[in-house]
Amino acid sequence: EAGVTQSPTHLIKTRGQQVTLRCSPISGHTSVYWYQQALGLGLQFLLWYDEGEERNRGNFPPRFSGRQFPNYSSELNVNALELEDSALYLCASGPGGDYGYTFGSGTRLTVV
Amino acid sequence: AQSVTQPDIHITVSEGASLELRCNYSYGATPYLFWYVQSPGQGLQLLLKYFSGDTLVQGIKGFEAEFKRSQSSFNLRKPSVHWSDAAEYFCAVVNNAGNMLTFGGGTRLMVKP
Repeated sequence: EAGVTQSPTHLIKTRGQQVTLRCSPISGHTSVYWYQQALGLGLQFLLWYDEGEERNRGNFPPRFSGRQFPNYSSELNVNALELEDSALYLCASGPGGDYGYTFGSGTRLTVV
Repeated sequence: AQSVTQPDIHITVSEGASLELRCNYSYGATPYLFWYVQSPGQGLQLLLKYFSGDTLVQGIKGFEAEFKRSQSSFNLRKPSVHWSDAAEYFCAVVNNAGNMLTFGGGTRLMVKP
């Protein structure tokens, strides 16, 4: 069974640019979660998508957005990049609850 | 709202020694609790989980954790640490609806030869 796949693995962007990160969940999982792991700030919940709808978002500005496609894959978009957006962005999928969540290997974003 | 505290930011143990990583949670109901491990530059791997039943749960890689409701704790243990266990460990709790994980700040484990 393929795990959660994220692309790209690394990218470098300039401040003010826009970026799109992609996530493919495990087959059969309808929920996708996005987390930001910035240096020194731990794992912060960003967004939760389920059945194509945004169900919940963390305490992030509106320039962080995303969507979920009919095949349950998901994109995370970040507009007007700032230096502090540099982080590892992790995607997880799952039925949630007591089954837990399976994480991908992440996308390392560096903003210069 | 739920919260998780991992009191130890860094821990160093000698290879072959025992290990205990602490986790305290705050949650109004019976929690679903998880431990994840993250190797440098990698994603998170689930070590073990607790949601009901036996309070001592076994996980992968020889890890176990004990749920103690009276102490609001879910500490992770391993009887003999291997150098490959050096990583960052995260404790997490999921909310009522089972749809949002809240993580502790993590504990970085270093293993001395």
